[in-house]
Amino acid sequence: SQQGEEDPQALSIQEGENATMNCSYKTSINNLQWYRQNSGRGLVHLILIRSNEREKHSGRLRVTLDTSKKSSSLLITASRAADTASYFCATAYTGGGNKLTFGTGTQLKVEL
Amino acid sequence: GAVVSQHPSWVICKSGTSVKIECRSLDFQATTMFWYRQFPKQSLMLMATSNEGSKATYEQGVEKDKFLINHASLTLSTLTVTSAHPEDSSFYICSARLGQIYEQYFGPGTRLTVT
Repeated sequence: SQQGEEDPQALSIQEGENATMNCSYKTSINNLQWYRQNSGRGLVHLILIRSNEREKHSGRLRVTLDTSKKSSSLLITASRAADTASYFCATAYTGGGNKLTFGTGTQLKVEL
Repeated sequence: GAVVSQHPSWVICKSGTSVKIECRSLDFQATTMFWYRQFPKQSLMLMATSNEGSKATYEQGVEKDKFLINHASLTLSTLTVTSAHPEDSSFYICSARLGQIYEQYFGPGTRLTVT
């Protein structure tokens, strides 16, 4: 299976703290994307980082990519209760066409 | 922009019947649509890739005769679960790709329960 893994599986923090999620994948990729899913809903695209990029920012989100270690991290700064959701990394692997392979996900809970 | 809808949002059917799920791109033409399946507290598993006017490409282990996919237009793809069984109960999510960009836009999902 091409599926990557994320850790931690679950993360509980207080509002205002930073949340860091890690993603590891198995094969060479074109890009890596992060998505968010609220319970029982569809996914929302957060950010995309290409294989030749090492870091990318979008608002309170910071994504890093280390292709030598086949890993990525998503940092959410100054978390809010509304950030409570599941977060998935997804890789577009080389030779995979348009397909995305999703990681196992991290369930983030931000408490007031 | 880039809104994808699914219908129905939830459906309960009896074992042995067939269920059709629609996926529409509302404000753009989708060159490619994808169908995923998600079990509770698990990740998304790609079932098939659907291109307008051509046959869907199924992932290994997905029965093409059981999960019929039709992509008749650039804004509509349908997934029909034929002769549904309780083990087909799951959350089915579609997504659409706009042109050559890499991001996928996801529908809200359809909860299927087979009794």
